Amino acid sequence: TQLLEQSPQFLSIQEGENLTVYCNSSSVFSSLQWYRQEPGEGPVLLVTVVTGGEVKKLKRLTFQFGDARKDSSLHITAAQPGDTGLYLCAGARRGSTLGRLYFGRGTQLTVWP
Amino acid sequence: GAVVSQHPSWVICKSGTSVKIECRSLDFQATTMFWYRQFPKQSLMLMATSNEGSKATYEQGVEKDKFLINHASLTLSTLTVTSAHPEDSSFYICSAAQPRDTHYEQYFGPGTRLTVT
Repeated sequence: TQLLEQSPQFLSIQEGENLTVYCNSSSVFSSLQWYRQEPGEGPVLLVTVVTGGEVKKLKRLTFQFGDARKDSSLHITAAQPGDTGLYLCAGARRGSTLGRLYFGRGTQLTVWP
Repeated sequence: GAVVSQHPSWVICKSGTSVKIECRSLDFQATTMFWYRQFPKQSLMLMATSNEGSKATYEQGVEKDKFLINHASLTLSTLTVTSAHPEDSSFYICSAAQPRDTHYEQYFGPGTRLTVT
């Protein structure tokens, strides 16, 4: 079983549409990171959220950490073809090896022009 | 900042041979590095945690004698796939943990595509 449940697994939308990706868990995380990965490359860190209820914005991307630090969401406004990629959420737990992350299954986003 | 390199970016080897993959943190020191394996269109699967100056910690189901990890310095970790077989063909990615004020962040290398023929 996955510690972090990420949904949806696949998302195919038209340019200009909005979308939200969810990561949920029954466990509490000390921090949660979102990555974007393109084919044949390593994941690139987008943002880290640490405080419950925290909201961070990165241009058209809005990241939220749940109040109880068990869930997070990524919202993209007016998606563009350049947003296409695999989005991964990953959480760190207290008591785990320092720096170790637990990854969700990923959301493969395709934005059509 | 927080750049991680990986070498080689791709390698083709014959069944039964060994392959070494290097992971370097270029602008920071990393006490801990991680090695992942990724199958097409799937998430990352943690193979092992590499600790500088000590033995690596392997995830359940990962053969430590097959996937040898050495973390000889604060900027270099290596993964050696010994006696490679076609089923070892995969995309291998390393990451390095960088401490921040309240947490660690992982920065990933560009990955190594291994093909065993």
